[in-house]
Amino acid sequence: QVQLVQSGAAVKKPGASVKVSCKASGYTFTNYGIIWVRQVPGQGLEWMGWISAHSGNTNSPQKFQGRVTMTTDTSTSTAYMELRSLRSDDTALYYCATNKSPRLGIDHWGQGTLVTVSS
Amino acid sequence: EIVLTQSPDTLSLSPGERATLFCRASQSVSASYLAWYQHKPGQAPRLLVYGASNRATGIPDMFSGSGSGTDFTLTISRLEPEDFAVYYCQHYDSSRGMYTFGQGTKLEIK
Repeated sequence: QVQLVQSGAAVKKPGASVKVSCKASGYTFTNYGIIWVRQVPGQGLEWMGWISAHSGNTNSPQKFQGRVTMTTDTSTSTAYMELRSLRSDDTALYYCATNKSPRLGIDHWGQGTLVTVSS
Repeated sequence: EIVLTQSPDTLSLSPGERATLFCRASQSVSASYLAWYQHKPGQAPRLLVYGASNRATGIPDMFSGSGSGTDFTLTISRLEPEDFAVYYCQHYDSSRGMYTFGQGTKLEIK
């Protein structure tokens, strides 16, 4: 069965960077992309970006462009999301997820990684 | 950029009642790329419906989705205690390769 296991919680200072990992299993990693979604406390789900595990192509909303880098390591079936220049409002629960096709919704999710930004 | 607006923000109902949640897109969208999720604290979101009206694997038929164009609906026919959660609609813009979520509807026990 498809499983996505994320790295543990992190506490960072403003201005620092954080890199969240997402290890996939139960499917051929390069067949599907990895989606990154976050939830700031008290707010809704927010799409941060997508990376093709096959080609490495990425896409993200303008809000995060220039501050987020998504990568994959096909040798370990692991995806990474790095967010730079952290601010207090980046404190959030970060999820990785995957799907076979955007037509089928996002059906497999990691457990989430809490990133706290505090001085 | 497509914006999804859900209503109401909060819906207070009792177990056994019927819940109807709405999602309105800022412009006409393809129903093929419209999905609904249930999200509970401490858990990952759970896919309920994809393609506007197709239940995801393992989702009971008490959940149903409908709609087209700009207006979409998620109906929960008879609420169980475990159904009280936050529900999100989500769209994928295939022309730009971008996902958008609505702001969510909190379904709470009355």
